Amino acid sequence: RKEVEQDPGPFNVPEGATVAFNCTYSNSASQSFFWYRQDCRKEPKLLMSVYSSGNEDGRFTAQLNRASQYISLLIRDSKLSDSATYLCVATPGGGADGLTFGKGTHLIIQP
Amino acid sequence: DAGITQSPRYKITETGRQVTLMCHQTWSHSYMFWYRQDLGHGLRLIYYSAAADITDKGEVPDGYVVSRSKTENFPLTLESATRSQTSVYFCASKRRGSQETQYFGPGTRLLVL
Repeated sequence: RKEVEQDPGPFNVPEGATVAFNCTYSNSASQSFFWYRQDCRKEPKLLMSVYSSGNEDGRFTAQLNRASQYISLLIRDSKLSDSATYLCVATPGGGADGLTFGKGTHLIIQP
Repeated sequence: DAGITQSPRYKITETGRQVTLMCHQTWSHSYMFWYRQDLGHGLRLIYYSAAADITDKGEVPDGYVVSRSKTENFPLTLESATRSQTSVYFCASKRRGSQETQYFGPGTRLLVL
């Protein structure tokens, strides 16, 4: 079973709408969580870390539910430039561990 | 600030050939990683390194060899390339600390014929 699971989409959303993604992780030892964004044929880039208390960065809000082992990302007032693939990441932490990625959710913002 | 670079960016090779993908970072990050990205599988960790001369296997290490004689370099070698190793390869690096960001290089697109 894949350790981090995401709905691959695509999510087709009109510009200005709010969109939310969830992902679930199976490793209960996971300590660190992130959302990465990947544009077509480019490298993944960190969008935001996810903290237990939830955190917000402009139009983006991330939440962590340890009891249910899921992570969410909310995008408000979506822009055309938000079109990308969003990768959910969990890691046991400890520094040297590589990231365990979900397969990504493809988001398309339509004008 | 050059950051993290990979070379070559594109490579075509034949089955059975040895191929080395280069990764170089200018931040003196302790940790470096190699991932491959394939349709249907997402990003998977091949090898990682916590420091010079310290390397360890990731999820899909078979058929690959790494070395890290210097902190800034982390080459990945396919000793005898197979068609199943056709993929996009990303190198990444980060500082110590579980919440530290991993920064990815631009990727190498490898085609094995």
